[in-house]
Formats: sequence, structure tokens, C-alpha cells
Amino acid sequence: KQEVTQIPAALSVPEGENLVLNCSFTDSAIYNLQWFRQDPGKGLTSLLLIQSSQREQTSGRLNASLDKSSGRSTLYIAASQPGDSATYLCAVGGFSGGYNKLIFGAGTRLAVHP
Amino acid sequence: NAGVMQNPRHLVRRRGQEARLRCSPVKGHSHVYWYRQLPEEGLKFMVYLQKENIIDESGMPKERFSAEFPKEGPSILRIQQVVRGDSAAYFCASSPSSPGLAGGPDNEQFFGPGTRLTVL
Repeated sequence: KQEVTQIPAALSVPEGENLVLNCSFTDSAIYNLQWFRQDPGKGLTSLLLIQSSQREQTSGRLNASLDKSSGRSTLYIAASQPGDSATYLCAVGGFSGGYNKLIFGAGTRLAVHP
Repeated sequence: NAGVMQNPRHLVRRRGQEARLRCSPVKGHSHVYWYRQLPEEGLKFMVYLQKENIIDESGMPKERFSAEFPKEGPSILRIQQVVRGDSAAYFCASSPSSPGLAGGPDNEQFFGPGTRLTVL
């Protein structure tokens, strides 16, 4: 049974810091991995999608890496800003029978203070 | 190109009433997924549907919950005789029609804003 763990559960940093959010999963037979952002009381915004054959994806100040063999992914945020404050969710996709079911971690709550 | 739409955004029901949550996927997407987020918990998969078919409902409670995705119109998640423990945010996601075995952008899931159900 796939389990997804995110560390740390919460993080508070001053503006401008580079930071790393960690995600680990127990079953390396994944189809893809998505990182999402969730603002309080809001929906999910997809940040990055990494296919199982890829090692990393980049979008602006965000970089996500994937190491299937060790069951780990990291989300790197460069030069953090107060607007980055949100909960970041990692979800692994397991392809089964023609579809992709996402298993989510509990998230990392990030607070970036000025 | 409109994203995933969900309505209502907020729904209040008294115990024993029915709740109907609607999801309109991205235009052209025929795969719909429902997830539930209980207070202070992560999102949990409930059900996966294609047009007119339930493919996987392994995450859905056996009683009181049902889902459909008709040929025409939105996907509906229906909760009968709601209880306080049903209070949660319910999210719908959609993906393109052909996820593909080789991988690719087709399998990315796009989420709606969610429906926040409160049971009094």
C-alpha cells in the first residue's frame, strides 16, 4: 500500500531564503508525481508534474526532483517570498488499469515572513 | 479555456439531509476523480469515473455515497442522510481522455476549487 510522507509538517522562514520541502513514498512503482499548492480555504494549484521517467522539472523559482529508487522527491523554492506562504502537497500517481490515482501526503505548511 | 468548475462552493446541510455536489471537468476531459479532505487531514481518493462508467470506487464509503458522470452534464457526488463526520472539502479533478501508458502530460490532474460541506 502506497504511503506518502512529507517533512517538515510546518516551516517558517524569513523572506529571501532558499528552502527545500521533502516528500517520500513507500512504493517506487509510481507513474508520476505532482506538487501542488493549497491556500487556506482554496483549491489546489498544480505546480509541477514529474513523469516516472524524468528526474526533475523546473518552473520559475521552483524545481522539483524525483528519485524513484529511493522513493523521494524534493521541491526547491528559491528566494522565497511572502506570497509563497501556503500548504504544499506532494501526490504520487499509480497507474492502474488505464488511469492515474493520486495518493497525497499531509502537506507542508510554509510561512514566509517579511 | 475554463478549468474545473465545482458548485456549490459552500454547502450547509442538517443531519439526515441529502448533499449533491457537482463537478464540470475541463472541456474535452472525460476522466473525473473525486477526493475528500477532512479537517486537518490530507486529500483521500474517493472515486474515479469516465463518461457513464464508474471505474474505481474503492475510496468511497460503502453506504450513503454515490457518484455518477452522465453522458451529458456534470459529474455528481451524492451523499444521502448526511452526518457530521461528512463535513469536509470535496475536490473534483479531471484529466484528458487518454492518459497513455508511456507517460506524458495527458495524465496530469487539474483540480477544481472544491465544495466545502458543513453538516450541522
